Amino acid sequence: QKEVEQNSGPLSVPEGAIASLNCTYSDRGSQSFFWYRQYSGKSPELIMSIYSNGDKEDGRFTAQLNKASQYVSLLIRDSQPSDSATYLCAVKDAGNMLTFGGGTRLMVKP
Amino acid sequence: DVKVTQSSRYLVKRTGEKVFLECVQDMDHENMFWYRQDPGLGLRLIYFSYDVKMKEKGDIPEGYSVSREKKERFSLILESASTNQTSMYLCATDTDSSSYEQYFGPGTRLTVT
Repeated sequence: QKEVEQNSGPLSVPEGAIASLNCTYSDRGSQSFFWYRQYSGKSPELIMSIYSNGDKEDGRFTAQLNKASQYVSLLIRDSQPSDSATYLCAVKDAGNMLTFGGGTRLMVKP
Repeated sequence: DVKVTQSSRYLVKRTGEKVFLECVQDMDHENMFWYRQDPGLGLRLIYFSYDVKMKEKGDIPEGYSVSREKKERFSLILESASTNQTSMYLCATDTDSSSYEQYFGPGTRLTVT
């Protein structure tokens, strides 16, 4: 059973702070990793993808991947109230299916 | 931009009814997916299709079937709706065979009474 684990939260950070969201996965054969943002009542929106070890930056977002530790994280710099949402980690295995974590609810307080 | 549309945002059906959920994408993608999302259970894959008339079961196919007669359209069918199928249903499509980024439609919130 392939598993993707996230702390459900809520993770509460003040406006302007760095939010750090973490995800671990069980399948060592996993090859692609994704972060989605989901606002309440809406569908998931892809915000980052990462395929190799290290960091990948896109604006205020940085994804970090460590395949040896089976760990992927998302950092959000200068957090804004509009970043308040649930963040889903998704992992694609060699069979090309996505397994989603349960999501971490982020609250950014003004 | 990838555009994925779903036929209804909200749907209310009675137990035992046959329900059709439609999904259309405009990017000529081969792969299409149906998920359901429930509180505490996350996103679960029901069925996917990698080509016209091709389908594969996901993690929870029981009580569902699918149809893909045209590349752009992927339908989810509940043969006889039950109350435990009340859920948010999400359609998704892959961008291409190298990145596998999935993009979601707006979702259909189905209530079965």
